Order: sequence, then structure tokens, then C-alpha cells
Amino acid sequence: GENVEQHPSTLSVQEGDSAVIKCTYSDSASNYFPWYKQELGKRPQLIIDIRSNVGEKKDQRIAVTLNKTAKHFSLHITETQPEDSAVYFCAASITGNQFYFGTGTSLTVIP
Amino acid sequence: DAGVIQSPRHEVTEMGQEVTLRCKPISGHNSLFWYRQTMMRGLELLIYFNNNVPIDDSGMPEDRFSAKMPNASFSTLKIQPSEPRDSAVYFCASSFHGTGELFFGEGSRLTVL
Repeated sequence: GENVEQHPSTLSVQEGDSAVIKCTYSDSASNYFPWYKQELGKRPQLIIDIRSNVGEKKDQRIAVTLNKTAKHFSLHITETQPEDSAVYFCAASITGNQFYFGTGTSLTVIP
Repeated sequence: DAGVIQSPRHEVTEMGQEVTLRCKPISGHNSLFWYRQTMMRGLELLIYFNNNVPIDDSGMPEDRFSAKMPNASFSTLKIQPSEPRDSAVYFCASSFHGTGELFFGEGSRLTVL
């Protein structure tokens, strides 16, 4: 099956700085790559996603890039704010089925 | 829609007892997933149903775990007998097959003493 690796496992940044989280996947058939944010004690929620026919997608302060050749994708958060502090999970999926998640990155934004 | 509904939210039980976790997916969604979350292993896919049929149960850890989906609006995950290493948060999630976005329930936090 698919294997998704995520780095780093923890990340601390100063408020206003950028944060980058990277993931790699193993199955070249994967074509959908969502990112989920999980606040402490809450459910994971989708924040942005990208499909394999797109190289980059932006939504305000959040962007995701995808390199299909290298089988890696990244989440970029600019102008970080304390409310961005959470655990972020990347995932890879084939046609929206059988989502495989990375192990998560705990992001702390220091005011 | 109220979203994916899971029960119980918290369960504390003793080793050897049977545990049943319940899930009601979002109306109209035809794919349902059970995940287990621990600090060590992150989010692990246990089983995935499409149109009430189990498609992939390769993530189910062992025979003590079983899952059913008798109809489109209800699924159960059963652990019998439970063991302390089963302690985790169990999430149910649903989606409309092939569209992408997974919607998670609030999770069921299981503690086995």
C-alpha cells in the first residue's frame, strides 16, 4: 500500500515567520493530496488540497506545492499566527479513496 | 447536516471487556472510514467501506477487531476482548466516493485499563 512520510515531526516558529512542512509518498498512482489541521482535542479538518494535475494551489496564507516526479508535496504557511498552532497531517489518496496519512507535524507559533 | 456523529465520546473499560464504537456518517456519503490515532503511530486506517461493503480491512490489527456497516447511516467498530494497547482515539470519517474530502467525527477516546 501507500507509504506517506512527513517531516518535521515538530516545528516552532516566531509569529509572522513562515512554516514549511514536507511529505513524500510512494505510490505513483496517488492523485489527490489533502492537508488536515487538528487542534488539540478536536477532529482533523481539511485546510487545503491539491490534485495531481496541478503544481501549486494557494488559499490566503496557505499554499501547497506538488512535485509528481519526485513524489513529494509541501504545505507553506506564511505570516504565521498563534491560532495556526496545531498538528498538521498530509495525506495521499487514489481517486479519493483509501486516504493514507503522514505521522503529523506539531506546529507551535510563538507570539 | 450535523456532520459525522460518533459515540461514545469517551470510554473507559477494563481489559477483557467488549467495546463497541458507533458512527453515523453524513447523509449522502457512501464511503466510510475507521481510523485509530495514537501518538506513536499517528492516524492509521483500520477499514474502509464503500456503499456499505468493506473494501479494505488490511489495517485491522487482529481478529479481536471487527467492523460492520449494516446500512448507509450506521457503522460499528467492535473490539473483543479489549487490551490496554488498544487505548487510542478512534475516528470515523465519511466522504462521497471519489470526490476527495474526508469529514471526520469528533472521535471516541478509548482507555483500556
